[in-house]
Amino acid sequence: QQPVQSPQAVILREGEDAVINCSSSKALYSVHWYRQKHGEAPVFLMILLKGGEQKGHDKISASFNEKKQQSSLYLTASQLSYSGTYFCGTPDTSGTYKYIFGTGTRLKVLA
Amino acid sequence: NAGVTQTPKFQVLKTGQSMTLQCAQDMNHEYMSWYRQDPGMGLRLIHYSVGAGITDQGEVPNGYNVSRSTTEDFPLRLLSAAPSQTSVYFCASSYTRPGTVGSGANVLTFGAGSRLTVL
Repeated sequence: QQPVQSPQAVILREGEDAVINCSSSKALYSVHWYRQKHGEAPVFLMILLKGGEQKGHDKISASFNEKKQQSSLYLTASQLSYSGTYFCGTPDTSGTYKYIFGTGTRLKVLA
Repeated sequence: NAGVTQTPKFQVLKTGQSMTLQCAQDMNHEYMSWYRQDPGMGLRLIHYSVGAGITDQGEVPNGYNVSRSTTEDFPLRLLSAAPSQTSVYFCASSYTRPGTVGSGANVLTFGAGSRLTVL
């Protein structure tokens, strides 16, 4: 099953913060985060490999809680350029080579 | 480097017609995959390949066929198109199995997408 992301959509004003969650019913080995701007292809943001790991990319950071089978993406002091759809992705852990994406979160930042 | 190239960008089909979405990469990536994107459902895996001659089903494989005769190409075939296959299709590739430990080699690179409408 796909990881479930929440919220499904969020609207922010420039400078506000947001958190996007990714929860899986299966064990997570690693989590990737991708961003897709409107009409474009998804682009890689960051990878988290270990439980409890946190990473940062500009004012976007993420955490990965292996025990809770979830990851969160934190967008701080959001900018107009942060608008898009965010996906978490993870390799299937049931013995296949599938790579599965979450349900997606649409983020719109207003001036 | 062209990266991942998908053709066509847009296609309109009638129910029952067949077509092939082409995907080619010039990065010597072993892993290639096809996803479909529908509103509210994220990116769903259709088929994937871990190397030439090796393919496997993803989460939503019904109605689609794939083959991988070369490392570079991974076409997606719709044998008898149905309105439920109206979607945006993305091809993606990575050097190794995505999500595994290692360098950026395990990150997926996406094509620009193909928008398919089935009437």
